[in-house]
Amino acid sequence: QVTLRESGPALVKPTQTLTLTCTFSGFSLDTSGLSVAWIRQPPGKALEWLVRIDWDDNKEYSSSLKTRLTISKDTSRNLVVLSLANVDPLDTATYFCARIQGMVTDFWGQGTLVTVSS
Amino acid sequence: AVQLTQSPSSLSASIGDRVTMTCRASQAIDTALAWYQQRPGKAPTLLIYDASTLETGVASRFSGSGSGTAFTLTISGLQPGDLATYYCHQFSGYPLTFGPGTKVDLK
Repeated sequence: QVTLRESGPALVKPTQTLTLTCTFSGFSLDTSGLSVAWIRQPPGKALEWLVRIDWDDNKEYSSSLKTRLTISKDTSRNLVVLSLANVDPLDTATYFCARIQGMVTDFWGQGTLVTVSS
Repeated sequence: AVQLTQSPSSLSASIGDRVTMTCRASQAIDTALAWYQQRPGKAPTLLIYDASTLETGVASRFSGSGSGTAFTLTISGLQPGDLATYYCHQFSGYPLTFGPGTKVDLK
């Protein structure tokens, strides 16, 4: 059974770096063809794809956020870490991590709401 | 980047109705499209991938069609649990993108 769970702070101050962890089970990120992505959703708005990390450590980033995003993985601990630098109130959103098989995003975590406010 | 538009942005339907919504891509993406259902306060769930392949475990009343730039999601016989927002998602090329969604509610 594939499960993913996001964890991290609920509140972050502007200009700080947001760090979120995705802990998963039911698959291994050293399996060819598998990846983990981060997607966010501002309150009441649509989904926004942010970044993915592949089984071979290849990474793909959103064009608009590339300079602020960092993604890494720890295959032995089954986790992926997302960092978003210099946050702004516009970064307030529910952040989801999700598994990708090939190119299809098939399983999602429940999401974690992050508010950026002073 | 491939832009996705969805229409309508919202629709009202009755239980048992046939519901159709569309997704259009700003450039051809072959069949590299998925559809997700998102109920309020929940994570999205995969319904359809490769434009028309039903994800395992998804009810057969959901169907998808299209290729290139025009795609359709159909619900044949709306059920109460189908009241949700539906998003299309292209995975043809980076950056991956989502449509703005179609919200389905009860008439």
